[in-house]
Amino acid sequence: EAQVTQNPRYLITVTGKKLTVTCSQNMNHEYMSWYRQDPGLGLRQIYYSMNVEVTDKGDVPEGYKVSRKEKRNFPLILESPSPNQTSLYFCASSYSAGDIETQYFGPGTRLLVL
Amino acid sequence: AQSVAQPEDQVNVAEGNPLTVKCTYSVSGNPYLFWYVQYPNRGLQFLLKYITGDNLVKGSYGFEAEFNKSQTSFHLKKPSALVSDSALYFCAVRALNSGGGADGLTFGKGTHLIIQP
Repeated sequence: EAQVTQNPRYLITVTGKKLTVTCSQNMNHEYMSWYRQDPGLGLRQIYYSMNVEVTDKGDVPEGYKVSRKEKRNFPLILESPSPNQTSLYFCASSYSAGDIETQYFGPGTRLLVL
Repeated sequence: AQSVAQPEDQVNVAEGNPLTVKCTYSVSGNPYLFWYVQYPNRGLQFLLKYITGDNLVKGSYGFEAEFNKSQTSFHLKKPSALVSDSALYFCAVRALNSGGGADGLTFGKGTHLIIQP
């Protein structure tokens, strides 16, 4: 089954404790991205990756890091989480950057930073 | 810069009635327009898109959207609403830039659609 998986689905942490949210896709997609969803703000792109070892900032990259060492994985790293990073996070992938309108979304990771 | 406005936080419709979810956009260049739906505790699902051609676009689950260039709008419509249509709907835009490439997707804030039995 074609899918995007994220782990963990729910996470409660404290300010400053480094965390990683994993994202994996099994469709051999080149393009992957991370979004955060906040009430009243919709989805905002954090980082995206056009292919292995190619990443770039989205609209709200501050406080986040990503890496793309393998085509299937695109982890999101919060080196020192802060309460304003409490949000619902979605990973997504598509065949290419030119096809991002039909990107597949993961189920979401709900993060609470205390 | 491109932007999307969804002026209604919530739309309430009785089952069986027609529904409209509004979206207006602002881009420099030709727009690519999209609608996505998000059911509770799920990621977004692509519904339909407008790239070029016929202004009326048909998508999944009986939804359609009409592109209106003069009003810079792309409203989502369905002739007869179902309770199962209740969800969060997002409009999105990307612009074909002058270099021939395309910018990233910009999403609206979302509209909660509630269909009452």
